[in-house]
Amino acid sequence: DQQVKQNSPSLSVQEGRISILNCDYTNSMFDYFLWYKKYPAEGPTFLISISSIKDKNEDGRFTVFLNKSAKHLSLHIVPSQPGDSAVYFCAARSDMRFGAGTRLTVKP
Amino acid sequence: DARVTQTPRHKVTEMGQEVTMRCQPILGHNTVFWYRQTMMQGLELLAYFRNRAPLDDSGMPKDRFSAEMPDATLATLKIQPSEPRDSAVYFCASAPPGPNTEAFFGQGTRLTVV
Repeated sequence: DQQVKQNSPSLSVQEGRISILNCDYTNSMFDYFLWYKKYPAEGPTFLISISSIKDKNEDGRFTVFLNKSAKHLSLHIVPSQPGDSAVYFCAARSDMRFGAGTRLTVKP
Repeated sequence: DARVTQTPRHKVTEMGQEVTMRCQPILGHNTVFWYRQTMMQGLELLAYFRNRAPLDDSGMPKDRFSAEMPDATLATLKIQPSEPRDSAVYFCASAPPGPNTEAFFGQGTRLTVV
């Protein structure tokens, strides 16, 4: 049973706008989460992480929010750039099973 | 420049043949993961090792797949016999010790079974 889920297979946004990618989990014992970005024909690359002792972690244009009561994570990209177009995956570190991914397309 | 190295990058083989994919984790990393990416399944965890011991291989078809770590610098994933449905990109990732560390991925092996 998949314990980390990304229910939106794709997202399209305009350059300069905010991109919000969502991830839900079922196991309340998960305490550290990772986001990865994947371009075609390349391996996934680590983007940002968050510990359950925080509800927000920011790194430049990327911010991850964690809502423990809702068992929900979201990745915000502001402002979105065409180079951000990729597939984004979330995972819980203790499980390392990824969600199905969300394909983000940022239009110029 | 520390990176996870996977070989071969591409492999085309005939159905029924044995396939071996190799992964060299980053030096000092003690956890190794194997994933398969297909169009429909996203990134599917096949198996992972910590300190060379298999911890979870529940995602791996047991009848034809096997994963090993002969030593700390090499992880292998074998398929015998291979089938067309095994065609996918296989990724290896490694992570340093610790519960809250990110894993680093290799470039993958694209396997085509004809």
